[in-house]
Amino acid sequence: DSGVTQTPKHLITATGQRVTLRCSPRSGDLSVYWYQQSLDQGLQFLIQYYNGEERAKGNILERFSAQQFPDLHSELNLSSLELGDSALYFCASSFRGSANTGELFFGEGSRLTVL
Amino acid sequence: ELKVEQNPLFLSMQEGKNYTIYCNYSTTSDRLYWYRQDPGKSLESLFVLLSNGAVKQEGRLMASLDTKARLSTLHITAAVHDLSATYFCAVVPHLPSNFGNEKLTFGTGTRLTIIP
Repeated sequence: DSGVTQTPKHLITATGQRVTLRCSPRSGDLSVYWYQQSLDQGLQFLIQYYNGEERAKGNILERFSAQQFPDLHSELNLSSLELGDSALYFCASSFRGSANTGELFFGEGSRLTVL
Repeated sequence: ELKVEQNPLFLSMQEGKNYTIYCNYSTTSDRLYWYRQDPGKSLESLFVLLSNGAVKQEGRLMASLDTKARLSTLHITAAVHDLSATYFCAVVPHLPSNFGNEKLTFGTGTRLTIIP
């Protein structure tokens, strides 16, 4: 158990819908990262938040958005869903200060299926 | 743009044999990570390599880093079935200030199958 909690574990929805994925980082971790894993694209970095602020952006579609709240949990919002958005979405956390090695700790993932 | 390449992409090996997975990356980095993923599961951290010449070992797995060659290897000794999984390397590019930024770029993964 990495200490990173993601909900829901599985989600099935229809095209055009909107979903929210939630992530609670390890206790004390300040950074949260979102990754998308699909068969054809591999592991793609979407976005990173550090202590509530957006720090880095990757290949995140405009239909997707994220935020990190004061209690450090994060949400990834996916809207106007398309079939191609079906994937495993991972949240990871890191950074507990000066001893940080940069290692990311991953949650169990949220499997999104768009029908 | 940082590119991370792994080879081979697929590897079938017999139990008891040795093999090496290679990870090449395209820009300067002094931090490299290896992860393991079982099908449909999360990514489990295996090794953290933070300097040139770093070598880490855990059981039948040993990882090393050569920052000058921009190459890391994951060596498997006397493979057993439990090692069947997909292995990913991941790299953080060297930037003047990486404070609070550990965005990892992952390789394509190597799917390892150990055959009895």
